[in-house]
Amino acid sequence: EVQLVESGGGLVQPGGSLRLSCAASGFTFSSYWMSWVRQAPGKGLEWVANIKQDGSEKYYVDSVKGRFTISRDNAKNSLYLQMNSLRAEDTAVYYCARVGRLSFAYWGQGTLVTVSS
Amino acid sequence: QSVLTQPPSVSAAPGQKVTISCSGSSSNIGNNYVSWYQQLPGTAPKLLIYENNKRPSGIPDRFSGSKSGTSATLGITGLQTGDEADYYCGTWDSSLSARGVFGGGTKLTVL
Repeated sequence: EVQLVESGGGLVQPGGSLRLSCAASGFTFSSYWMSWVRQAPGKGLEWVANIKQDGSEKYYVDSVKGRFTISRDNAKNSLYLQMNSLRAEDTAVYYCARVGRLSFAYWGQGTLVTVSS
Repeated sequence: QSVLTQPPSVSAAPGQKVTISCSGSSSNIGNNYVSWYQQLPGTAPKLLIYENNKRPSGIPDRFSGSKSGTSATLGITGLQTGDEADYYCGTWDSSLSARGVFGGGTKLTVL
């Protein structure tokens, strides 16, 4: 059974940093693109970042370029999102998702990031 | 403002059929597969349709998808109260390589 479990969310002040983690199990992690998708309170889904199987390609939504870094450790079956210079508008539930069949095939339960003073 | 355009809400009675539209452009829907996601209240999204019209195992055939040009449609027949949820379309942006895009979501109310 595919499982994605996010962690690392919490309350952080504007300008601060946070590192999200996603522990994957139930599939060969190193064989799949992985993504982060976020959802601000009461709002829709927003794709944040993608990373290729070997980490050689990474893509970001414009609003987080230069501030967020997606990475992965295939030996640990883990996906990460390093978030720096956080802003109030980054407040959201962040979901880890496995990309498959050109879709976001599996999702974690999400971790809430709140940026507030 | 989302890249893909969906109606904010749709409603229908139990047992009826409803369709949800998703409009994009040649740089996204026009040149890529469309997927659809269901998000029940308080839960994570779940894949309903991939590659325009395919259903993952476990998704009932009451759910269907289609695509024409730069638009896509999700259809749900035999509506049940348990189908009340937010529905999102998603695809990729051809001009920006492997960047995902979503619609703003449609709230389905089963009256």
